[in-house]
Amino acid sequence: GAVVSQHPSRVICKSGTSVKIECRSLDFQATTMFWYRQFPKQSLMLMATSNEGSKATYEQGVEKDKFLINHASLTLSTLTVTSAHPEDSSFYICSVKGDSHTEAFFGQGTRLTVV
Amino acid sequence: QKEVEQNSGPLSVPEGAIASLNCTYSDRVSQSFFWYRQYSGKSPELIMSIYSNGDKEDGRFTAQLNKASQYVSLLIRDSQPSDSATYLCAVNMGGNYQLIWGAGTKLIIKP
Repeated sequence: GAVVSQHPSRVICKSGTSVKIECRSLDFQATTMFWYRQFPKQSLMLMATSNEGSKATYEQGVEKDKFLINHASLTLSTLTVTSAHPEDSSFYICSVKGDSHTEAFFGQGTRLTVV
Repeated sequence: QKEVEQNSGPLSVPEGAIASLNCTYSDRVSQSFFWYRQYSGKSPELIMSIYSNGDKEDGRFTAQLNKASQYVSLLIRDSQPSDSATYLCAVNMGGNYQLIWGAGTKLIIKP
């Protein structure tokens, strides 16, 4: 299967700071990337969808100025949580799909804790 | 509103028995269906995908799809303690591959 690398796996940051999460496809070109957030004991919530070279499409209720997504190349997408607050503490997961794939592949996830 | 529903469980099954997980979805035009396994603190892992009515088998896993009744199920034969996890049902209800996720069913396999 395709390999997706997400980094960091865990991060603790102070309230008010920004955190960048990277998602890389290691052996295929990622034409579409999905960013999810998952709170404890809840299912995945899609935050945004991005295609290489174009602006991300955000789901209703997700602030695009707070969650900055950059899909600058066919192998890398980043999610930056700006001015983080404790309520942003969650498990953030990227999912990646290439043109030839019928399914998307998940990164390992990033556990963000804002203190 | 497009929805995918699962019983949250926990579903407790003795080791060696068959575990049966169910999922219903609201949109009749849904095209593809997926079962993911998620261990605590980890990201989801694809177990099965199914696109047409009927059964699809892969090792100990069988996915069943009934589009007329709008449900998809996952059977796990010879359940093992390592199968204990949360199983997420996901449905692609459009052409852009944006998945609608169920809340997940927690499965516990008792030795």
